[in-house]
This record gives sequence, structure tokens and C-alpha cells, in this order.
Amino acid sequence: EPEVTQTPSHQVTQMGQEVILRCVPISNHLYFYWYRQILGQKVEFLVSFYNNEISEKSEIFDDQFSVERPDGSNFTLKIRSTKLEDSAMYFCASRSNTQGFTEAFFGQGTRLTVV
Amino acid sequence: AQSVSQHNHHVILSEAASLELGCNYSYGGTVNLFWYVQYPGQHLQLLLKYFSGDPLVKGIKGFEAEFIKSKFSFNLRKPSVQWSDTAEYFCAVNYKAAGNKLTFGGGTRVLVKP
Repeated sequence: EPEVTQTPSHQVTQMGQEVILRCVPISNHLYFYWYRQILGQKVEFLVSFYNNEISEKSEIFDDQFSVERPDGSNFTLKIRSTKLEDSAMYFCASRSNTQGFTEAFFGQGTRLTVV
Repeated sequence: AQSVSQHNHHVILSEAASLELGCNYSYGGTVNLFWYVQYPGQHLQLLLKYFSGDPLVKGIKGFEAEFIKSKFSFNLRKPSVQWSDTAEYFCAVNYKAAGNKLTFGGGTRVLVKP
């Protein structure tokens, strides 16, 4: 069964450093997402990406965040200068382009720890 | 703002017991509804979904959910749980008017004792 894969599974970084979280969505999917879950809180939407551009973003997704689909298979989330409060589990998701809404498929997550 | 509530944060029950997890969402027009499950160390997996039609939806692993529009609810049920159902369960809503993102509930951790 095709699945969304994320690397690394765990990343520890120093405050102020840049991190890139990587995702390989399911190959024929065209909608891509990043969500995050701070420990003890809800899973929150960050950004959606379609047709090589951001289609929606939340208030959380400020200038410190960016997304990219550099090579047609990877989908990355970059945090330019990490803060302690960026520590969270980050989930990538993708869904197919069919008529109407379809379910999203999620990766296993990257646990980001900012120290 | 749209919001999704799951009433129980933790549920502990014995094998063969019945399970019902509550999910309510705030009004926001037409919705698509989902339950996801996350087994320890694994990714979020879709259990079931509701887009339209029969409000009683059957999913994988013996789970079902009922959409009650008047109550803004989409409760998840399983008549007889197994130890392997130990996981965290997330209700998620797509508000059509708000685009194609999901709004999640807080999750319910379910522990099934053998």
C-alpha cells in the first residue's frame, strides 16, 4: 500500500538554527499539507500546497516557515530560525486530485526538539 | 472559528467491552468528517469517513460512526474491542467553506487491557 514517508523521524536542533523536514508524498497525489502537534495539544494545520504554490496557510505559518517541492517527489518544510516553541511533532499529508474532497494520507511524523 | 471537541482524553477498558468516543464540531456549514487512528509508533491511519449519504458509516477493523447533523456529532463506536485497538483516536473535520484543510479534535487515548 502506498504511503507518505517522512525523514528524519526525530530531529534535535539548537534554537536559532534552520531545519528542513522532508516528506515524500504518495506519487500520484497533488495536494500536500503540513500539520503539527505540540505535546499535549491538538493537531494544527500549518499549510497546504497545490500546483506548486501555497493554497492556504494558518496564522502559525509565518515568515519563519517555508515549503518547497524541489524535485517533483519531495515536499519540504523549512523553519529558518527555530524557537523553543517550534518543538512539536510535524506531520506531512497528501491527497489525490479527484472530484470532490478525498481523505488525506499522513506520514509517521518528525519529532522536532528545539533546545 | 471552527473547532472540534473530543470529550474524553483517556479511556481505559477491557477486551470485549464496547467503545464509544464522542466528537462534536462547531457549526460551519457543509462538512466532511473523519476518524483517524494512530497506533503506537505509527502514522495516522484513516478509520472511516463521511461525505454524504447514509449517516451510519462503517470503517475498517469493525469501527463505525454515526453522523447526527442536528447534534453536530460524529461519534465513533466499536461493539467489542481488542487489545490491538490500543491507540490514539482523532476526529477531524473538513469545513468546505474553509478550504481543504482538516480541523482536528484533541484526540482520545484508548487503552485496552487484555
